[in-house]
Amino acid sequence: SQTIHQWPATLVQPVGSPLSLECTVEGTSNPNLYWYRQAAGRGLQLLFYSVGIGQISSEVPQNLSASRPQDRQFILSSKKLLLSDSGFYLCAWSVLGGEWGNTIYFGEGSWLTVV
Amino acid sequence: AQSVTQPDIHITVSEGASLELRCNYSYGATPYLFWYVQSPGQGLQLLLKYFSGDTLVQGIKGFEAEFKRSQSSFNLRKPSVHWSDAAEYFCAVGLMEYGNKLVFGAGTILRVKS
Repeated sequence: SQTIHQWPATLVQPVGSPLSLECTVEGTSNPNLYWYRQAAGRGLQLLFYSVGIGQISSEVPQNLSASRPQDRQFILSSKKLLLSDSGFYLCAWSVLGGEWGNTIYFGEGSWLTVV
Repeated sequence: AQSVTQPDIHITVSEGASLELRCNYSYGATPYLFWYVQSPGQGLQLLLKYFSGDTLVQGIKGFEAEFKRSQSSFNLRKPSVHWSDAAEYFCAVGLMEYGNKLVFGAGTILRVKS
């Protein structure tokens, strides 16, 4: 069965420091991959999505970037964190068609606090 | 533009009472619709989804939702709420022509009182 792993689960970073959140999916091939952010008291905002290796679409201009170096690996990065980057980051995956098709499944999330 | 509205930010119900969480969407094509649940500090779990066919869909944990095209609604229901249902619930519309993305509502926090 398909599983999604996301880490680290929690991190506290100073302003201006770099960030790297990693996500991997197992049990499927060529998934669509997503990064969502959930700020305190707010809904979910799509940050990036990817339909294949090296193919990244950015939804909002921001201090973050994403990369997909392998088929089932998705990385969220920042060179210099801002206070406003604090939030709950969720990686997700989907595939087109089939039993699991057209549905987005989420990881357990990563809490980022920028201090 | 596509959007999802969940008009109730908080709802409190008594354990054993029925529940209905409202969701309205704005989308030009036939929507793919979803309900997710999020417990504090955790990821989102899929409750149910509607793609086509029967407009009343059954999900996990005893939840169901009804798609009403004329009202652009996809309300979530449960006949008898359990204390473990306390969580935040998100309605979402799937944009399949845009790389299979989801647009979420702002969420409804459900509190269950004993």
